[in-house]
Amino acid sequence: AQSVTQLGSHVSVSEGALVLLRCNYSSSVPPYLFWYVQYPNQGLQLLLKYTSAATLVKGINGFEAEFKKSETSFHLTKPSAHMSDAAEYFCAVSGEKLTFGKGITLSVRP
Amino acid sequence: NAGVTQTPKFRILKIGQSMTLQCTQDMNHNYMYWYRQDPGMGLKLIYYSVGAGITDKGEVPNGYNVSRSTTEDFPLRLELAAPSQTSVYFCASSYKGNTPGELFFGEGSRLTVL
Repeated sequence: AQSVTQLGSHVSVSEGALVLLRCNYSSSVPPYLFWYVQYPNQGLQLLLKYTSAATLVKGINGFEAEFKKSETSFHLTKPSAHMSDAAEYFCAVSGEKLTFGKGITLSVRP
Repeated sequence: NAGVTQTPKFRILKIGQSMTLQCTQDMNHNYMYWYRQDPGMGLKLIYYSVGAGITDKGEVPNGYNVSRSTTEDFPLRLELAAPSQTSVYFCASSYKGNTPGELFFGEGSRLTVL
């Protein structure tokens, strides 16, 4: 069965610190993988996507994610957090169907 | 382009009332979706449509109905509102030629059933 696991519900980092949001997936077919971001009181918007072209994917606002097939992971990183990065982040896998993770809230401390 | 537009943004219903959440997109996308978002639960697919006149159930269709008479519009109907339908509802659309799973979302409709 297809699934997405985002461990934890909340991550807090200091401004300027590394952001690391973890995502593990399972899929019986080669997947497409996504990170979506949701700012307060807004809809989700695409941050980046993996389509098998390259394992390291760069997205908007300085975020990137690396597809690791052996680890079935697609972790999201950003070298230096900014206050404006505070939002909820969803990992999603599209294989047999589109499945979203439960989301993780990122807080950024001044 | 306005993208995906949802109305209303907020609504309070009494138990047993009915209402329709409106969704329209101006990107000429083939596919449209309705999701509900509950805290800590991610997004659950209610209904989807692959084109005008074609709709199908998602994971959590009970208590809802949809129609797709045009490419642009995909309204979601709640017939007998129940407290369990208190949620934030998102409409989304995608283009058939895009990567499967690449969706464009509206800003959401927050529904409270009391």
